[in-house]
This record gives sequence, C-alpha cells and structure tokens, in this order.
Amino acid sequence: NAGVTQTPKFQVLKTGQSMTLQCAQDMNHNSMYWYRQDPGMGLRLIYYSASEGTTDKGEVPNGYNVSRLNKREFSLRLESAAPSQTSVYFCASTAERVSSYNEQFFGPGTRLTVL
Amino acid sequence: RKEVEQDPGPFNVPEGATVAFNCTYSNSASQSFFWYRQDCRKEPKLLMSVYSSGNEDGRFTAQLNRASQYISLLIRDSKLSDSATYLCVVLPYSGAGSYQLTFGKGTKLSVIP
Repeated sequence: NAGVTQTPKFQVLKTGQSMTLQCAQDMNHNSMYWYRQDPGMGLRLIYYSASEGTTDKGEVPNGYNVSRLNKREFSLRLESAAPSQTSVYFCASTAERVSSYNEQFFGPGTRLTVL
Repeated sequence: RKEVEQDPGPFNVPEGATVAFNCTYSNSASQSFFWYRQDCRKEPKLLMSVYSSGNEDGRFTAQLNRASQYISLLIRDSKLSDSATYLCVVLPYSGAGSYQLTFGKGTKLSVIP
C-alpha cells in the first residue's frame, strides 16, 4: 500500500495564479484532511472531509476550496495564490473520526512558494 | 492562552541520556491525546497515543495529568535516531467535532554522539 500520496512535491507560483494540490489514499479511509504547516506554527487544519460527499471548514479555510472527488481523492485548490499561502501542505486520512484508536496518516507534503 | 503549548527547545542531549518533554493544553474537555514525531522535511507520524493510566512503548513513556492539563513524554536511553521534532497533539472535541486535531508547535530534540 502506498498510504497517502500527494502531488506535486514542490511548486512555485506567481501571485494570482491558481493551482490544485492532489491527494489520494489507498487505505479505504472515510475521512480526509488538508493542513498547512508554517515555521513557528503548529499544523493548522484548512478543510476536512468526514466522509465521501461532505466537506467542512477547519481553522484557516480562507483562500482555499476543496473537492472530495471520491472516497480515495481529496483535492485542495488555490484560486488566486497569495504570498501568505507559501507553506508546506499536508494531506491526511483516518479510517473514521479521530480517536485514540484511529491513527491519522499523513502524506509526504507539498512545498508551495508563492512569489 | 494558546490551546496546546510546548517548549520549542532545542533539547541537545548525549546518546544514552533520558529526556522529558511536557505539553499543556487549555481545553479541559479535551478527549484524546497523542505524541507525533516529525523528521526534518518529512510528514508527522504517530509515535503513541496517551492514555489516562499512562502508557509505555519500549523506551518511550507517555503520561497524562487531566487535573493539571498536561501531557509528558519520556525517552530513555536516547538514540541518534530519536533526533526529530516531537509534536503534542490534542483532540479537543467529541462527537461531530472530533475531526479537528490541535497541534503544538513541536519540541526539537537533537541526540549528540
């Protein structure tokens, strides 16, 4: 099993450009998540999808949109990138809601720079 | 008050040493607690969940003190391979809100030969 995969690994955008970050998991998990990680900050939740067909805002959703394409795939879109969105983006998944018995698995991350 | 607070370190310890990290959380109703490990430029990985009675996994021991709202991680006989950033993670809500983990900023550990 590949676990959680993300594409691309690296990306450089100019201010105002758009892009979609792709995430897929092969563990048959119901719940998927998008986080961003900035220096000096903990991981912050952008959006999550509790199950196929549902999405909800996390702590920092502004400037982002998501699509839960099917059970495997959860994409994150930046419609008009801004320098403040320079960050490392992690996708994650859990079998069900988070608990002591449901580990959250992370993808390898996408390093995004917005100039 | 920040929701999850950790000493950022760095903690520089010699091989074989014992090192302890503490973490405090602000929401007294928090449900679940975890320690994650993150290597440089890599994704976080679950190290261990933290149970009310305390739990041990080899050289690693986690404790939870609900009254004082803090979590600890003890690493005995440190190895070079333990060098990483350790993230304290709390699940503050139950029920419909139990998808939103709160991450501390992490404590960096360097184990020196």
